[in-house]
Amino acid sequence: ETGVTQSPTHLIKTRGQQVTLRCSSQSGHNTVSWYQQALGQGPQFIFQYYREEENGRGNFPPRFSGLQFPNYSSELNVNALELDDSALYLCASSTLGGLETQYFGPGTRLLVL
Amino acid sequence: DAKTTQPPSMDCAEGRAANLPCNHSTISGNEYVYWYRQIHSQGPQYIIHGLKNNETNEMASLIITEDRKSSTLILPHATLRDTAVYYCIVRFLASSNTGKLIFGQGTTLQVKP
Repeated sequence: ETGVTQSPTHLIKTRGQQVTLRCSSQSGHNTVSWYQQALGQGPQFIFQYYREEENGRGNFPPRFSGLQFPNYSSELNVNALELDDSALYLCASSTLGGLETQYFGPGTRLLVL
Repeated sequence: DAKTTQPPSMDCAEGRAANLPCNHSTISGNEYVYWYRQIHSQGPQYIIHGLKNNETNEMASLIITEDRKSSTLILPHATLRDTAVYYCIVRFLASSNTGKLIFGQGTTLQVKP
């Protein structure tokens, strides 16, 4: 157990809808990184939040956005859902802007119909 | 970040050592080698990491060649619960980057009774 939690565990949405996924970081960690994992692929970096600011972004469109709260928990928001957004969404908790070891949560499985 | 090459799959008999190779011939002097594993549909689990020296923890050992161009993850006594996809990742850690993890396809290790 890493102490990183994510909610919900599973979610079904339809194309065009919006979704919010949540991540609670491990105690003492101030950095949350989000990853998307399509079926059969390795996780891909979406973005990172460090001390409530976006600290880097992967190759994802602006409809993927995020937020980090003062307690360092984080949200991932996806607008205008597309079928290809169906994936396992993972968050990883760490310190020092992600430079220390990143510990993953169990993920949220999103299905877009 | 340096690219890694891993065999797509390997088998191991239960109770025997599992040796998972990784090639990272373009690694630079300040890049670390990290290993994670992912059991089906769960979040990736951190195993071990190293820079130059061999490392050992309660889960595994990491052997890095002297030229740092390759490494081997050793699970000393594989069990059925070690069946997973194993990812070898090279990370460049500096205050100017996010320390994001770049996952390849990994090695699917099947431990057989």
